[in-house]
Amino acid sequence: DSGVTQTPKHLITATGQRVTLRCSPRSGDLSVYWYQQSLDQGLQFLIQYYNGEERAKGNILERFSAQQFPDLHSELNLSSLELGDSALYFCASSVEVRGYEQYFGPGTRLTVT
Amino acid sequence: GQQVMQIPQYQHVQEGEDFTTYCNSSTTLSNIQWYKQRPGGHPVFLIQLVKSGEVKKQKRLTFQFGEAKKNSSLHITATQTTDVGTYFCAGRGDTGNQFYFGTGTSLTVIP
Repeated sequence: DSGVTQTPKHLITATGQRVTLRCSPRSGDLSVYWYQQSLDQGLQFLIQYYNGEERAKGNILERFSAQQFPDLHSELNLSSLELGDSALYFCASSVEVRGYEQYFGPGTRLTVT
Repeated sequence: GQQVMQIPQYQHVQEGEDFTTYCNSSTTLSNIQWYKQRPGGHPVFLIQLVKSGEVKKQKRLTFQFGEAKKNSSLHITATQTTDVGTYFCAGRGDTGNQFYFGTGTSLTVIP
């Protein structure tokens, strides 16, 4: 158990819909990362927050957005869902913004039908 | 953009054989991390290398960071069935906070 929690564990929804994935980092970690993992793409970095502020942006689509709240939990919002958005979405947390190991949550498996 | 490639993509070995995965970046990295993901699980941090030419060992695992800080390798001696999983390298560029994950090497160990 990494100490990072993600909800829900599974999510099945239809194309065009909007979903919100939630992540609670390890106690004391200020940095949260979001990743997308699909079979043919490996682990794709989406976005990073540190203490409520966006710090790095990766291959995140405009239909996707995220935020980190004052209590440090983070939410990833996915809208206008397409079949290709079906993937495993991981949240990870670390102590600082740079140079520290990331602790991954169990992931949310999103299936878009 | 920055790319981190890993080879091989898949590796099947007999239990007891050695295994190596290689990680290559298109640009210089400030540091590199290695993660292991068991089937159905999430990535778990193994180690971080920072210095040019650095070598670190964890029991049967040996990690190396290249002199030019553009490549890295993970070597497992005498594989065991518990080593099964996908091994990812993740490199951070000289600037910025983003980690670029490699494509991963899936290891199967045949008993």
